[in-house]
Amino acid sequence: DQQVKQNSPSLSVQEGRISILNCDYTNSMFDYFLWYKKYPAEGPTFLISISSIKDKNEDGRFTVFLNKSAKHLSLHIVPSQPGDSAVYFCAALAQGGSEKLVFGKGTKLTVNP
Amino acid sequence: DAGVIQSPRHEVTEMGQEVTLRCKPISGHNSLFWYRQTMMRGLELLIYFNNNVPIDDSGMPEDRFSAKMPNASFSTLKIQPSEPRDSAVYFCASNLRAGNQPQHFGDGTRLSIL
Repeated sequence: DQQVKQNSPSLSVQEGRISILNCDYTNSMFDYFLWYKKYPAEGPTFLISISSIKDKNEDGRFTVFLNKSAKHLSLHIVPSQPGDSAVYFCAALAQGGSEKLVFGKGTKLTVNP
Repeated sequence: DAGVIQSPRHEVTEMGQEVTLRCKPISGHNSLFWYRQTMMRGLELLIYFNNNVPIDDSGMPEDRFSAKMPNASFSTLKIQPSEPRDSAVYFCASNLRAGNQPQHFGDGTRLSIL
């Protein structure tokens, strides 16, 4: 049973436009969420995170939004650049100091020049 | 700064052979994680250590898998005997257990069991 779901396996956008990647979770014990980016033949790299006490966190072109009541988060990339083309993973940590990251299956983003 | 270092990057071996994957975490990090990535199951945590002590091995698929961390700068994941269904990419990650520090991943070992 998947606790973190990324329902779109792929997304294609034009350079300069906004990319919106979505993630849903089922476990109400999750209280910290992270996005990782992964290029082929490399490990995932940390991008941005958000605590459940916030509903938005911004870092440059990247913004993560959290809707706790809907158990939904999204990653916005504005403006999208070809170098953003990668697989994006949503991940969650449960409250209580757990270090067990639970990952979604990823969304492959392609930014077309 | 050196990141998490995994070796080998690729391993091809025959069914029944012992496989040993190696990981050197980032210096100063005190938690280490082993993950497996497959098409079917995505990225799943196998086991993690804190201060060289195994904390949670509930993700280890079966007794054929074992992991050790003899010191703060080295860990191994061993599969004996290996089976074709063990073919996957295995990632090691580390972090400093302080608040919600993100995990830093190595580039993985692509394992193929024939």
